[in-house]
Amino acid sequence: NAGVTQTPKFRILKIGQSMTLQCAQDMNHNYMYWYRQDPGMGLKLIYYSVGAGITDKGEVPNGYNVSRSTTEDFPLRLELAAPSQTSVYFCASSYLADEKLFFGSGTQLSVL
Amino acid sequence: KQEVTQIPAALSVPEGENLVLNCSFTDSAIYNLQWFRQDPGKGLTSLLLIQSSQREQTSGRLNASLDKSSGRSTLYIAASQPGDSATYLCAVESGGYQKVTFGTGTKLQVIP
Repeated sequence: NAGVTQTPKFRILKIGQSMTLQCAQDMNHNYMYWYRQDPGMGLKLIYYSVGAGITDKGEVPNGYNVSRSTTEDFPLRLELAAPSQTSVYFCASSYLADEKLFFGSGTQLSVL
Repeated sequence: KQEVTQIPAALSVPEGENLVLNCSFTDSAIYNLQWFRQDPGKGLTSLLLIQSSQREQTSGRLNASLDKSSGRSTLYIAASQPGDSATYLCAVESGGYQKVTFGTGTKLQVIP
């Protein structure tokens, strides 16, 4: 089992560029999440999904978009990147709500 | 709004010592509390999850307790080892499923 796989691990973007962070899980989990982690701050939820075709906003969704066309994949799209989006991004999954979260290894993104 | 606090931000102990990490939260109406370990440049690994109806959970040398009425949880690590060096985060799920609030973590260093 690979668990939760995120790509890329590192990326540098210029202001105004766009990119997609990939996330895939092979545990047949229903719930998937995107978090960002800023230095000295707790993780913040960007978007989440409770199943294929269903997504909803988290605490800090502005500047991001997601889709969930399959159970396995949950890509995060950054449109018109801004320096405020410099962060470490984590994808996570769980089988159901109220259960353990499984995290990917993260994507470190710098917007310059 | 739920707030999660972890004090101290950093802790250094000699190998073999038993230690306690603290987590406090402001809203006692929680679904669960989860303790994670994060190694540098890596994702989070769930260590223990305590449901709101439970008082504690144990896994190997780790024991986590939950006191909802006082808004506190502790993670007890017995016979600490250098391999336990990492940042430990707690997170509470409250105010609706998928609403997980993370603390900023305690960075633990176990000195050989």
